[in-house]
Amino acid sequence: GAGVSQSPSNKVTEKGKDVELRCDPISGHTALYWYRQRLGQGLEFLIYFQGNSAPDKSGLPSDRFSAERTGESVSTLTIQRTQQEDSAVYLCASSLVAESPLHFGNGTRLTVT
Amino acid sequence: GNSVTQMEGPVTLSEEAFLTINCTYTATGYPSLFWYVQYPGEGLQLLLKATKADDKGSNKGFEATYRKETTSFHLEKGSVQVSDSAVYFCALSTNTGNQFYFGTGTSLTVIP
Repeated sequence: GAGVSQSPSNKVTEKGKDVELRCDPISGHTALYWYRQRLGQGLEFLIYFQGNSAPDKSGLPSDRFSAERTGESVSTLTIQRTQQEDSAVYLCASSLVAESPLHFGNGTRLTVT
Repeated sequence: GNSVTQMEGPVTLSEEAFLTINCTYTATGYPSLFWYVQYPGEGLQLLLKATKADDKGSNKGFEATYRKETTSFHLEKGSVQVSDSAVYFCALSTNTGNQFYFGTGTSLTVIP
């Protein structure tokens, strides 16, 4: 596709369940970012990939959060034992190289009940 | 550390009014500066950028000038339209890091 694709667009889950969020970046983009946007707040950096390595994981809020990327393609963000405070929109962005402008997906809205 | 502070909203303006959304930054190294916009129901998209001091980014009638002396990148538009209603995010990236740093966003509503 032409843009960054995220799935699912919406996810409702019960507290304590695991969820997996998917991001398909623009083809050829080497850099991939995950952000979290809580209601009424700004973007919170989670993790950055260059290729399939993650040189910056500093934003992951706890060890319940993990992410991986296959080559310079799909990335998955996994949240284990979800908590209500995990409810947010999770945004994925990719760029041609690090520091060039980001292209965002439409996000996954996660609601933990 | 690196950070971006932008004017809190929400901002409500009448059509054809002048818009300024303030943004200041703190950064190590020599950052690139960006404004992103999020229209209702859509993802964030790049509005404009500037990569060095005194550069002016412009797009769709919006402008922002990279001011190193005041560490600012204020967004301006001379005459806003209803279609400009959106949330605007100021952001920076540094040549020493691998992150983009975003402000908290400013919601703009333009009324006819």
